[in-house]
Amino acid sequence: DIQMTQSPSSLSASVGDRVTITCQASQDISNYLNWYQQKPGKAPKLLIYDASNLETGVPSRFSGSGSGTDFTFTISSLQPEDIATYYCQQYDNLLLLTFGGGTKVEIK
Amino acid sequence: EVQLVESGGGLVQPGRSLRLSCAASGFTFDDYAMHWVRQAPGKGLEWVSGISWNSGSIGYADSVKGRFTISRDNAKNSLYLQMNSLRAEDTALYYCAKGGILVPAALDYWGQGTLVTVSS
Repeated sequence: DIQMTQSPSSLSASVGDRVTITCQASQDISNYLNWYQQKPGKAPKLLIYDASNLETGVPSRFSGSGSGTDFTFTISSLQPEDIATYYCQQYDNLLLLTFGGGTKVEIK
Repeated sequence: EVQLVESGGGLVQPGRSLRLSCAASGFTFDDYAMHWVRQAPGKGLEWVSGISWNSGSIGYADSVKGRFTISRDNAKNSLYLQMNSLRAEDTALYYCAKGGILVPAALDYWGQGTLVTVSS
């Protein structure tokens, strides 16, 4: 099974800062990597699909990149409403998914 | 508006069974793959199972394989999860999620979840 290692597990940054989260797959997954945001007490929300495609309606300060085993999620300018836990998720086929451990983002 | 409403959660003893349901509306249900994802209290997300639009392809996490069965009824716009031989570690909030049209494994809409507690 493919394992996803997400880092850091938590981070604290100031409003306006650039925030970067990484996700590493245990084997090549091409670009089969999605990113989600989960705010406390809420269901997750899809932000990025297939590594770099912004989901409709998601602000452009969110972006993703990478392929193969190494992926990056970036918030270009952290906003107070971005406080949440972020998860990567891979799929090595359409019906076998794995989530990363999550990154909790807080405001400094 | 897409809506996914889970039901069927509750308190159940270890070894017993429970059946979760997810009622879908606001989209053409039989065009999309559907998934169950769970989240133990204070923990991260864990994908549980997924089913293709026509039930022709099904997948399970190793942690539930052989105990859980996913199914769907396209005539009723409903998704199900039959959970047998429940264990304490199955305690979690269970979400129903819709796959995307371009990427069935990108979960673009989620319900609010139904809580399953396995305890004696």
